[in-house]
Amino acid sequence: NAGVTQTPKFQVLKTGQSMTLQCAQDMNHEYMSWYRQDPGMGLRLIHYSVGAGITDQGEVPNGYNVSRSTTEDFPLRLLSAAPSQTSVYFCASRSRPGAIGNTIYFGEGSWLTVV
Amino acid sequence: GENVEQHPSTLSVQEGDSAVIKCTYSDSASNYFPWYKQELGKGPQLIIDIRSNVGEKKDQRIAVTLNKTAKHFSLHITETQPEDSAVYFCAASIKTGGFKTIFGAGTRLFVKA
Repeated sequence: NAGVTQTPKFQVLKTGQSMTLQCAQDMNHEYMSWYRQDPGMGLRLIHYSVGAGITDQGEVPNGYNVSRSTTEDFPLRLLSAAPSQTSVYFCASRSRPGAIGNTIYFGEGSWLTVV
Repeated sequence: GENVEQHPSTLSVQEGDSAVIKCTYSDSASNYFPWYKQELGKGPQLIIDIRSNVGEKKDQRIAVTLNKTAKHFSLHITETQPEDSAVYFCAASIKTGGFKTIFGAGTRLFVKA
């Protein structure tokens, strides 16, 4: 049971490039999400999914796309990277609301620098 | 919109002293309040949580209190140790329904040996 696994851990992109951050969980959680963490801003929700085939926007969705073709995977795509997207990205998962032990589990983080 | 404010942003204590971090939230429908600890280079991990039908919860050296009337909740760490040094986040959410967990901005705790 690996929990939430996200890759890559570090990435440097040039402005305008695209890339995908991968996230996978093996806990059969229905809910998955992506956050970005910036100094003094806490964790801000980018996109989330309440189940396979269902995604929705969070607080800061612009410049990012997501898809949820399986329960396990929830990739985050940067369409055309901008320096403002330099941040630490965390993938998270949890069981459905109301479930016992409804804890959010976070991945280890992906450090992205856009130059 | 919903908001969680967390204070202080930085806290420095001597080993053995207590540390208190305070949060306020705006959405009166919030009924679940977790606290996360984030060590350097790692993702946040849940350390304790409290639900709205409880006023206080303890787990060894950590405790959380909730005042629903005032929309305040606090984390108390007693007998601090250097390994408690980390960033702590509070959060507020509506446990049922959507994925609406709002996080505070974080408190960087330094415990000096």
